Amino acid sequence: AQKITQTQPGMFVQEKEAVTLDCTYDTSDQSYGLFWYKQPSSGEMIFLIYQGSYDEQNATEGRYSLNFQKARKSANLVISASQLGDSAMYFCAMRDVEYGNKLVFGAGTILRVKS
Amino acid sequence: KAGVTQTPRYLIKTRGQQVTLSCSPISGHRSVSWYQQTPGQGLQFLFEYFSETQRNKGNFPGRFSGRQFSNSRSEMNVSTLELGDSALYLCASSQYDSYNSPLHFGNGTRLTVT
Repeated sequence: AQKITQTQPGMFVQEKEAVTLDCTYDTSDQSYGLFWYKQPSSGEMIFLIYQGSYDEQNATEGRYSLNFQKARKSANLVISASQLGDSAMYFCAMRDVEYGNKLVFGAGTILRVKS
Repeated sequence: KAGVTQTPRYLIKTRGQQVTLSCSPISGHRSVSWYQQTPGQGLQFLFEYFSETQRNKGNFPGRFSGRQFSNSRSEMNVSTLELGDSALYLCASSQYDSYNSPLHFGNGTRLTVT
């Protein structure tokens, strides 16, 4: 069964506006970690932000924040004040004990920032 | 601190040949994982090594193998290459083999099989 679902294949956002990328997950574990990665066209995979299952506060890293709703099993990424350099593929991913702590990825969302 | 280093960046091979990809993790990281990325299948887990031991293996044929050395550097080998092996191969390291430890990726090796 698919564990990470990203329902938005592609998104457009105007420069300087905020954008939310959706991610839902499925796990029976109590202990798990949720991650967001950015992959520009060059191919490198850049770690953006992490949220632990026991964290009560939403994670934030600069312009990135993670809207964590545990009961709904969602972990949406919010990018504030979008920049042209934010144009990339974004992946939501999870590690949990059930899958031996391997990182399982969603299908990704392509974000395009318009000037 | 230097990031994850993968070599080579690009490879072109012929069907039936074999290939070895190399990965040097971030200093101090003992866990190394390998992923295959293709347009059709997305990101798929290949295997993970921790302190020279394979801890986890994905659903790939035996032609795909790997190993980790005592200095945590890792290699991945694909034998009898097929056209479908054309992909971006990503290596990642993490400090701990734990659900709350982020993976940090290298730039990848883009393999083309002709």
